[in-house]
Amino acid sequence: EVQLVESGGGLVKPGGSLRLSCAVSGFTFSSAWMTWVRQAPGKGLEWVGRIKSKIDGGTTDYAAPVKGRFSISGDDSKNTLYLQMNSLKTEDTAVYYCATGHPDIMHFDYWGQGTLLTVSS
Amino acid sequence: QSALTQPRSVSGSPGQSVTISCTGTSSDVGAYNYVSWYQQHPGKVPKLMIFDVSKRPSGVPDRFSGSKSGNTASLTISGLQAEDEADYYCCSYAGRFTSVFGSGTKVTVL
Repeated sequence: EVQLVESGGGLVKPGGSLRLSCAVSGFTFSSAWMTWVRQAPGKGLEWVGRIKSKIDGGTTDYAAPVKGRFSISGDDSKNTLYLQMNSLKTEDTAVYYCATGHPDIMHFDYWGQGTLLTVSS
Repeated sequence: QSALTQPRSVSGSPGQSVTISCTGTSSDVGAYNYVSWYQQHPGKVPKLMIFDVSKRPSGVPDRFSGSKSGNTASLTISGLQAEDEADYYCCSYAGRFTSVFGSGTKVTVL
């Protein structure tokens, strides 16, 4: 059974940093493309960024609002995906989901339960 | 990378059909057959309903169908049921390994 479990959310002051984690089980993490999606309170879904599998180069791509501030990485030995968030802004407040469509790469069959980040002074 | 445009809300009576549009550009919806649709009930995790414009994952009822014409994709729910009341989001590949979601549509079953 595929499971994605996010953790690491919390309250952070503007300008601060936080790292979210997504522990994966039920498939080969090293061969999966993984995506972060966020949802601000009462708002819609927003694509944040994606990391390709190591086999496909392991490169990352980001949405414009987070480019240069957020960084996605993965640890194959721990089957864990990370989202490092720096220079946080109040508008980054959201529930953050990790998701994948593995083995497909263009849609998302599997989602974690989400972890809430609140950026506030 | 602006959000794809969806109507804010649509409604229908049980048994009726409703269609949700998802309008993008020639750089996303119009350029690729990688449009997916997600259903989200309040407080729940999004669920994949349609992928690659018109394909249904196993377990999704066949009253959900998808299509695309030009820069606009559509999700149709036929034989509307009470449990279909939820928010629906489209998502399209937008090139350079990025994706973009729609603004979301609330479906109300009258």
